[in-house]
Order: sequence, then structure tokens, then C-alpha cells
Amino acid sequence: AQTVTQSQPEMSVQEAETVTLSCTYDTSENNYYLFWYKQPPSRQMILVIRQEAYKQQNATENRFSVNFQKAAKSFSLKISDSQLGDTAMYFCAFMKHGSGGYNKLIFGAGTRLAVHP
Amino acid sequence: EAGVTQSPTHLIKTRGQQATLRCSPISGHTSVYWYQQALGLGLQFLLWYDEGEERNRGNFPPRFSGRQFPNYSSELNVNALELEDSALYLCASSTLNRGIGQYFGPGTRLTVT
Repeated sequence: AQTVTQSQPEMSVQEAETVTLSCTYDTSENNYYLFWYKQPPSRQMILVIRQEAYKQQNATENRFSVNFQKAAKSFSLKISDSQLGDTAMYFCAFMKHGSGGYNKLIFGAGTRLAVHP
Repeated sequence: EAGVTQSPTHLIKTRGQQATLRCSPISGHTSVYWYQQALGLGLQFLLWYDEGEERNRGNFPPRFSGRQFPNYSSELNVNALELEDSALYLCASSTLNRGIGQYFGPGTRLTVT
């Protein structure tokens, strides 16, 4: 069974600084997807960034980028130039690649990020 | 483009009653997923519907059930409610290209008293 571990329950950062959230996962699959979701206090889950395991290039979306280390099964999220609106719970998620019953997201426990002015 | 919508926003029920939660996916999305976010238990996969059929279910008892309608909207039913069913229920949708990710609605907060 796949598991996702986020070892940092809480983190804080000053506005405009850079912060990195850690995520590791365990799987025997070779093809899969990894995601970072953000859940602000308003509770709407927002997709931040995605990574396909067969792609070596790290994904980037504006101020958000990932460091994907497939051999180490590590998928960290870097937020540059942190903004107050980045304050949220961040979830790392794993999904197998393929059809059939593979489409569920497996989430980590989350990291609560607070951005301070 | 409208996002995933869920209703109601809040639902308060008594133990033993039934609850019905509704979800409308993003236009063009054929798959609907239900997740439970309970305090202390994190986000857990409940059910996946695609093209009107249940494709996969998580480790939940049969009193959690649902269906998907021809317009791809979905309903989650929870029978014989128990106190531990109190949680935020999130619905998500996706297209055939699963790798783009699942897009979530705002959730329904179910409280069982």
C-alpha cells in the first residue's frame, strides 16, 4: 500500500522569504503522479502543482516549485517570495498511474504554514 | 468556468438519521470523487464514480453509498449516522486525463449529534 508522509506538522515564514515543505512517499509503482494541494482557512482545497513521475524535470508554477527525487521518494514544495495569502494547510498527495481503481488520491497528514508580516 | 459545487454547506443530523450530500462537477468532467476529512484522521478516500458507475471505494462501511447521475452530478448518502461520521465531506472531479489532478469543491460540513 502507498503511504505519504509529511514530517512537518507546522511551519512559519516571514513574508517575502522562501520556505520548503517536505514530503516523502512509499510505493512500489514506477508510474504515478504527485500533487501539492493548499487548503486555506476557507477550507476549499486548491491544486497548487503536479508532477508526473516519468518526467525528470521539476514542475514549476509561478512562485511554487518542487524538488522531485524519485530514487529517494521525496517530493518537496518550495514557496518563494511568501505572501500572507499563502497561509494554509498544505497536503502532499500521491496517485497511481493507470486505469481501473487507481484514481484515488492518497494524502499526507498536512503541514500548516503560517506566513507572518 | 464554474468550479465544483457542493450542497448543503452545513448539515446537522441526529445519530441514526440519514444524510444526503450533493456535488456538481466541473463541466466536462466525468469522474466524481468523495473524500472524508475528519479531525485527527486526515483526508480519506471514500468513493469514485465515473460514467454513472461506482469504480472504487475506500475502507468505509456499506452505509456510505452514493450514485452518479446522467449529468455527472453525484450524491453521497450516509445511513444510520454515527457520531464519528461528523466531518468535512469533500467532492472532487476530474477528466479522463487523471494526471491533471482532481479539483475540489468547498465541502459539506456534516455534524452528527
